[in-house]
Amino acid sequence: NAGVMQNPRHLVRRRGQEARLRCSPMKGHSHVYWYRQLPEEGLKFMVYLQKENIIDESGMPKERFSAEFPKEGPSILRIQQVVRGDSAAYFCASSPVVGGYTEAFFGQGTRLTVV
Amino acid sequence: TQLLEQSPQFLSIQEGENLTVYCNSSSVFSSLQWYRQEPGEGPVLLVTVVTGGEVKKLKRLTFQFGDARKDSSLHITAAQPGDTGLYLCAGAPSFGNEKLTFGTGTRLTIIP
Repeated sequence: NAGVMQNPRHLVRRRGQEARLRCSPMKGHSHVYWYRQLPEEGLKFMVYLQKENIIDESGMPKERFSAEFPKEGPSILRIQQVVRGDSAAYFCASSPVVGGYTEAFFGQGTRLTVV
Repeated sequence: TQLLEQSPQFLSIQEGENLTVYCNSSSVFSSLQWYRQEPGEGPVLLVTVVTGGEVKKLKRLTFQFGDARKDSSLHITAAQPGDTGLYLCAGAPSFGNEKLTFGTGTRLTIIP
């Protein structure tokens, strides 16, 4: 009974490179969310996706960040031309549709370090 | 913008003592969840409360949702070192709106 799987767990990128973060939701879950946790700060919502659809991307920076959840395969959070300020822990969560309210289960996160 | 304030921000107590952590907002939430996060790991869901005034118990942990669904509390009885961690509350603004707003967190340390 695998939980939410994220990879890689740790990712080091030089400034200007691209970072790709992957998330496989729990079996049977069709909703995926990405959150960012900056050092010593709380979790901030970035984007909410269902299969092949972006439902809410109000927390995504306008530039360099994109997310997808294709029909087949994991959800991908992509950060182009990374900068030092992108260094953070990125968490993916998934949920089923349960009685109209959210119950999100989180992965272990990807810790991105930009050098 | 909905905000969730948690108090206290830091709490350090002796093993065996009781404690309460608070999560407050001026906004109404359709549901509220409590998570615990260990260093280097993702948040782990402890409980979801949905109905105003609802009380849920998980062993030594008691969770309460305020009558107006604007606040919540977590009470731990006879704290143990294994309870150490970062406790986060998170609220969903409305049914069908899946975007969780997270609280500022309470970092709890239980001293053996």
